[in-house]
Amino acid sequence: QKEVEQDPGPLSVPEGAIVSLNCTYSNSAFQYFMWYRQYSRKGPELLMYTYSSGNKEDGRFTAQVDKSSKYISLFIRDSQPSDSATYLCAAYNFNKFYFGSGTKLNVKP
Amino acid sequence: GAVVSQHPSWVICKSGTSVKIECRSLDFQATTMFWYRQFPKQSLMLMATSNEGSKATYEQGVEKDKFLINHASLTLSTLTVTSAHPEDSSFYICSANSGSSYNEQFFGPGTRLTVL
Repeated sequence: QKEVEQDPGPLSVPEGAIVSLNCTYSNSAFQYFMWYRQYSRKGPELLMYTYSSGNKEDGRFTAQVDKSSKYISLFIRDSQPSDSATYLCAAYNFNKFYFGSGTKLNVKP
Repeated sequence: GAVVSQHPSWVICKSGTSVKIECRSLDFQATTMFWYRQFPKQSLMLMATSNEGSKATYEQGVEKDKFLINHASLTLSTLTVTSAHPEDSSFYICSANSGSSYNEQFFGPGTRLTVL
């Protein structure tokens, strides 16, 4: 079983839709969780991070962690075509990052 | 924000040759650098972790004699793919962590290696 599991998609939504991206993880010791955005043939860029359980909001993006179910989510409100990219979730523990496989998102104008 | 560069961005080489990829932290000192490999439509696979001045720690299944990592300074790490073969063709991405914050891992733009 992989440390972090993520549905690869692709996920296609119309512009303006609310997008929900999800991951599950297996190691209950994980405390830090991140979401990265990766455009084609580029390195990932950090979008948001959260510590332990709870929500964190940044503009149109909300990251959510539910440690009881080992579930992490990223919500994108009012999605834009420029949001089209691959989104990677990650968990951090002891100086090592564990990445999900990435979900490819396509926002259609 | 912190910037990590990689050079070259794309390299094509013949089978059997060695290729060196550089990863530089441009505006901060990176105590730790990570090297990842990414196949199409797949996630990042950690290859090794390198700390300045010490030997790299390789992940299980990664051949340390084939993928040589040198972290000679706090701003530079190099990955050398020795005797490259077509199956080594991939997207190699480095990241750097300044050590000031666990989550501040900054990624380079990646290097696409094509081995003919």
